[in-house]
Amino acid sequence: GAVVSQHPSRVICKSGTSVKIECRSLDFQATTMFWYRQFPKQSLMLMATSNEGSKATYEQGVEKDKFLINHASLTLSTLTVTSAHPEDSSFYICSASPRGPQPQHFGDGTRLSIL
Amino acid sequence: DQQVKQNSPSLSVQEGRISILNCDYTNSMFDYFLWYKKYPAEGPTFLISISSIKDKNEDGRFTVFLNKSAKHLSLHIVPSQPGDSAVYFCAASAQAGTASKLTFGTGTRLQVTL
Repeated sequence: GAVVSQHPSRVICKSGTSVKIECRSLDFQATTMFWYRQFPKQSLMLMATSNEGSKATYEQGVEKDKFLINHASLTLSTLTVTSAHPEDSSFYICSASPRGPQPQHFGDGTRLSIL
Repeated sequence: DQQVKQNSPSLSVQEGRISILNCDYTNSMFDYFLWYKKYPAEGPTFLISISSIKDKNEDGRFTVFLNKSAKHLSLHIVPSQPGDSAVYFCAASAQAGTASKLTFGTGTRLQVTL
């Protein structure tokens, strides 16, 4: 089956640090990847749609300058949380789907903790 | 505005019995629905999906039913097993293709007891 790898799985860092999260599709190419965020005991909320070779599309209320997305190749998208603060602490998950009638597959997520 | 709703935050079922998880949606543009299973600190795992042109899709122990007029879908797990204990998310998308964004419900925690 389609495999999506996300790295790192956990990050703990000081306030003001920028953190980069990678999302890779291991056995398929993905022109589109998605970044979600999940707060404890809540649903997954879409943050942005990452498009290979073009700018990401952000959902309403998501600061594009805060959450930088780069989709430089058909197998890699990165999310950079710039100058992270404690309120950015959350569980970030990416997803991608192979071409054709395939469901989205998710990475294992990144637990970000800002001290 | 919660467009996909899972009104039962938790469900407890005895091993071997049927688990029925429900999901309601409000956006009539949704035409593709999925169920995901999620363990803590892991990403969701795809279980089963259904297109709006169907009213039922079956895969092993998992069956999803779609009632478009009621804007309601359900996931049946028969027989339930202890390993099925997890949080189940219903998701929907508004485009025929699958490379489109998903709107998730709030999840239902299923506990399968011995």
